[in-house]
Amino acid sequence: SQTIHQWPATLVQPVGSPLSLECTVEGTSNPNLYWYRQAAGRGLQLLFYSVGIGQISSEVPQNLSASRPQDRQFILSSKKLLLSDSGFYLCAWSARRNTEAFFGQGTRLTVV
Amino acid sequence: QKEVEQNSGPLSVPEGAIASLNCTYSDRGSQSFFWYRQYSGKSPELIMFIYSNGDKEDGRFTAQLNKASQYVSLLIRDSQPSDSATYLCAVNSGGSNYKLTFGKGTLLTVNP
Repeated sequence: SQTIHQWPATLVQPVGSPLSLECTVEGTSNPNLYWYRQAAGRGLQLLFYSVGIGQISSEVPQNLSASRPQDRQFILSSKKLLLSDSGFYLCAWSARRNTEAFFGQGTRLTVV
Repeated sequence: QKEVEQNSGPLSVPEGAIASLNCTYSDRGSQSFFWYRQYSGKSPELIMFIYSNGDKEDGRFTAQLNKASQYVSLLIRDSQPSDSATYLCAVNSGGSNYKLTFGKGTLLTVNP
């Protein structure tokens, strides 16, 4: 069966510090991968998605970047965090387009 | 801008009642529709998907889709306190679009 791992579960970082969140998927190959952010009262916002190694699409301009160095690995990064980067970050995967997405456990990031 | 609208609630129902959750979407070309349940502090989990007009039943859950009205709903029969959560509606527009657009969710409270 397929599983998705995302870590860490919680993170407190000072303003201006770097960020690296990692997500890996097991039990499938060539998944579509997604990074979402959920802020209070704003719903799930798609940040990045990837259909293959090295292929990244950005949905909104922001202080974040994403990379996919391996087929089942997706990384969310920032060089300098802002207070507004606080939120619940969710990695997700889907088998192919038009099908359901499955989420990791999420990372609650607080920038202080 | 493709939008998915949900009543934020809270929707409060007594235990054993039917809970009805509604969602409308703006993109008439949307092809796939999903309902996720999200407990407080947790990541969303998929509970239903529907692709065709009509009803789809799975246990106590029934998803209803009306593409002409751009409307999708979720009925929960015999509601239980454990059903208390935020329910997210998600829509995929199909074609070369790999993305799910989420509504902000409806908070459901089932009172014992």
